[in-house]
Amino acid sequence: QKEVEQDPGPLSVPEGAIVSLNCTYSNSAFQYFMWYRQYSRKGPELLMYTYSSGNKEDGRFTAQVDKSSKYISLFIRDSQPSDSATYLCAMGRGGTSYGKLTFGQGTILTVHP
Amino acid sequence: SQTIHQWPATLVQPVGSPLSLECTVEGTSNPNLYWYRQAAGRGLQLLFYSVGIGQISSEVPQNLSASRPQDRQFILSSKKLLLSDSGFYLCAWSWEANYGYTFGSGTRLTVV
Repeated sequence: QKEVEQDPGPLSVPEGAIVSLNCTYSNSAFQYFMWYRQYSRKGPELLMYTYSSGNKEDGRFTAQVDKSSKYISLFIRDSQPSDSATYLCAMGRGGTSYGKLTFGQGTILTVHP
Repeated sequence: SQTIHQWPATLVQPVGSPLSLECTVEGTSNPNLYWYRQAAGRGLQLLFYSVGIGQISSEVPQNLSASRPQDRQFILSSKKLLLSDSGFYLCAWSWEANYGYTFGSGTRLTVV
């Protein structure tokens, strides 16, 4: 079993829809949670970062963490064609200064006009 | 501000040829540096990370090696490429990994 599971999709939604992207994890040592967006042929860019259970909002994006269920989500409101990309969840363990992140497989999202 | 440079953007190399990919970071000192590989339809696989000059940790035994000759320079190398080395190679830096990395723009390597 992989430490981090992410549905690869692809996911196709109409413009304006609410998008829900999810990851589950098996290792309770993960304490830090991130979402990256990766456009085709580009490096991933950090979208959201959180370390506590609950919701964190940034514009149209909301990151949700449920440590008891080992489940994280990214919600995109009023989705736009420019949101079309691959979304990767990533997780880090606490306690090390040169810690390594563990990534999900990535979900391919297409928002069509 | 900090920037990360990675080159070349694309590379086509024959099997058995050597490889050298370079990554440099500007605007910071003593960063943690990482090399990842991303195969088509798969997640990111950590290859090497470095916490200082000359300090390299390997995550996956393979045909590749890494070096950090200067504080902000990270090099990925191979003496003889294999077909299975094809992929998208990403360099990244961080001060504290748990707060996220900053990735370079990547190198798409095709071994033919």
